[in-house]
Amino acid sequence: DAGVIQSPRHEVTEMGQEVTLRCKPISGHDYLFWYRQTMMRGLELLIYFNNNVPIDDSGMPEDRFSAKMPNASFSTLKIQPSEPRDSAVYFCASSPQGPHSYEQYFGPGTRLTVT
Amino acid sequence: GENVEQHPSTLSVQEGDSAVIKCTYSDSASNYFPWYKQELGKRPQLIIDIRSNVGEKKDQRIAVTLNKTAKHFSLHITETQPEDSAVYFCAARTMNYGGATNKLIFGTGTLLAVQP
Repeated sequence: DAGVIQSPRHEVTEMGQEVTLRCKPISGHDYLFWYRQTMMRGLELLIYFNNNVPIDDSGMPEDRFSAKMPNASFSTLKIQPSEPRDSAVYFCASSPQGPHSYEQYFGPGTRLTVT
Repeated sequence: GENVEQHPSTLSVQEGDSAVIKCTYSDSASNYFPWYKQELGKRPQLIIDIRSNVGEKKDQRIAVTLNKTAKHFSLHITETQPEDSAVYFCAARTMNYGGATNKLIFGTGTLLAVQP
């Protein structure tokens, strides 16, 4: 299996622009998670989905952030408009359903820089 | 909600020595405790985990212990090697009153440096 796939790996954008991050979970995994990692705040869960349905979005910082999962193999995290404080590494992770559903596997991350 | 504290924030050991990282959690209903290793510029990778019905788990040079009464768990690395140098994160799976969630709360990380 190719593991969790994220694109782009690096994104540099100007303040005010829209940014879209993409994720393909491991095939057969029913849970998908979006995390943000910064030096100041560590690894934070933004939102997670089960069977394409958002379950908990309490970590989404504000209305500028939105996430969708239109099907089992694709999810997006959108920031509109972007701000310099959004600069971080964004990880997507997936987890299988069933007795081993606790294990989360991370993608390589997208390093976002907003200037 | 769940809160996970991790200590120390940095740890330097000599090659061959042991390293211990400790975490405490607040939610007594939490039932799953993974440890992740993150090398510089890389993704967090699951290295070992333990569930609340087990007190200890070992995998070669790494082991994890869990004390449910005290609500703390620890990572033990023996015979450390330079390639063990990385940031290590603990986490706890939270529960809610409506049933289980699949949400992990992470500690703040420990930067482990193994000196050759």
